[in-house]
Amino acid sequence: GAVVSQHPSWVICKSGTSVKIECRSLDFQATTMFWYRQFPKQSLMLMATSNEGSKATYEQGVEKDKFLINHASLTLSTLTVTSAHPEDSSFYICSATRAQSNYGYTFGSGTRLTVV
Amino acid sequence: QQQVKQSPQSLIVQKGGIPIINCAYENTAFDYFPWYQQFPGKGPALLIAIRPDVSEKKEGRFTISFNKSAKQFSLHIMDSQPGDSATYFCAASIGTSGSRLTFGEGTQLTVNP
Repeated sequence: GAVVSQHPSWVICKSGTSVKIECRSLDFQATTMFWYRQFPKQSLMLMATSNEGSKATYEQGVEKDKFLINHASLTLSTLTVTSAHPEDSSFYICSATRAQSNYGYTFGSGTRLTVV
Repeated sequence: QQQVKQSPQSLIVQKGGIPIINCAYENTAFDYFPWYQQFPGKGPALLIAIRPDVSEKKEGRFTISFNKSAKQFSLHIMDSQPGDSATYFCAASIGTSGSRLTFGEGTQLTVNP
């Protein structure tokens, strides 16, 4: 089946630094990738949708200059949290899919970000 | 119109019981309804999904019941086991890929031994 690899699984960084999270589709070409944020005991909140080779579409209230998303190839999307602050601490999850297919949506294993 | 409402928020059953989780949607354009299982610290994993042209789908111990006229669908877990203890999310989308998934609020299931 479709596999999405997300790295790192956890990261601790100092306030003010930037952190990059990678999301790779291992056995299929992902035309669309989604980035979610999840707080404890809450549902997934969509942050942005990225299509390969295009600028990401951000959800209302998500700062695009803070959460930089790059989807340069059909197998790799990255989320960079710039100038991270403690309030950015959360669980970030990516999902990949291939448009006009029956692949469905495959999720990465998530990244726990802690900003200290 | 984009909301998917899920209930209950939490559910406790004994081993062997049949927990039922319900979801309701508003957008009649939705035509793909997956259920995801999520363990702590992990990403969601697809359990089972249904399209609106069928009223029921079974995969192993998991069954989806779908009521198109009521715009509701539910997940039944037969012979539940302690290992089924997790958070379950229903979702809906237009098409099986490409467009965004709209998630329910989640149900935390605990199966006691």
